[in-house]
Amino acid sequence: AQSVTQLGSHVSVSEGALVLLRCNYSSSVPPYLFWYVQYPNQGLQLLLKYTSAATLVKGINGFEAEFKKSETSFHLTKPSAHMSDAAEYFCAVSGDTGGFKTIFGAGTRLFVKA
Amino acid sequence: DTGVSQDPRHKITKRGQNVTFRCDPISEHNRLYWYRQTLGQGPEFLTYFQNEAQLEKSRLLSDRFSAERPKGSFSTLEIQRTEQGDSAMYLCASSPPREVGDTQYFGPGTRLTVL
Repeated sequence: AQSVTQLGSHVSVSEGALVLLRCNYSSSVPPYLFWYVQYPNQGLQLLLKYTSAATLVKGINGFEAEFKKSETSFHLTKPSAHMSDAAEYFCAVSGDTGGFKTIFGAGTRLFVKA
Repeated sequence: DTGVSQDPRHKITKRGQNVTFRCDPISEHNRLYWYRQTLGQGPEFLTYFQNEAQLEKSRLLSDRFSAERPKGSFSTLEIQRTEQGDSAMYLCASSPPREVGDTQYFGPGTRLTVL
């Protein structure tokens, strides 16, 4: 069965600093991997996804993530944090059993300090 | 494209009552998902449909939960004999056909409170 572990339920960075949100996955098959963001009082929206094309995936709002099979990781980064990045971020995995069941991590809340 | 809509947005009910939630996906999206999200947790998969067929259902879902998607359009999620542990945000998402790596578009959710 597939699973996702997000390291750190809360991450705090200063505005302009590097953002690094960690995600490790478990899958018996080549996975599809996703990062979703949930802004306060809004629904989840896709930031980026990995579908086995390129290992470095670029998403919206300057975020990117790198798929590392050897480390079973899919960490999310952004070079310079902005106040508007404050939100909850969820890593997710799918592709097991040939279906579309998607497993989400517990989430990481990002705080950005001025 | 008006997005995924869910109704109601909030529901307060007494323990033992039945509740039904509705989800309207983005038109032409053939897959529809239901999740449950509790405070401090990520969305927990409940079930998904491809067109009108329910293809997978979580083992976490007791027989008090049932979902339908007649005609492959809107979907309903019913919870019978609600319990306080059912209090959560219920999320619906839909995804378009023929896309590699299923991008899901989420609705705003229905918040259920069981007293």
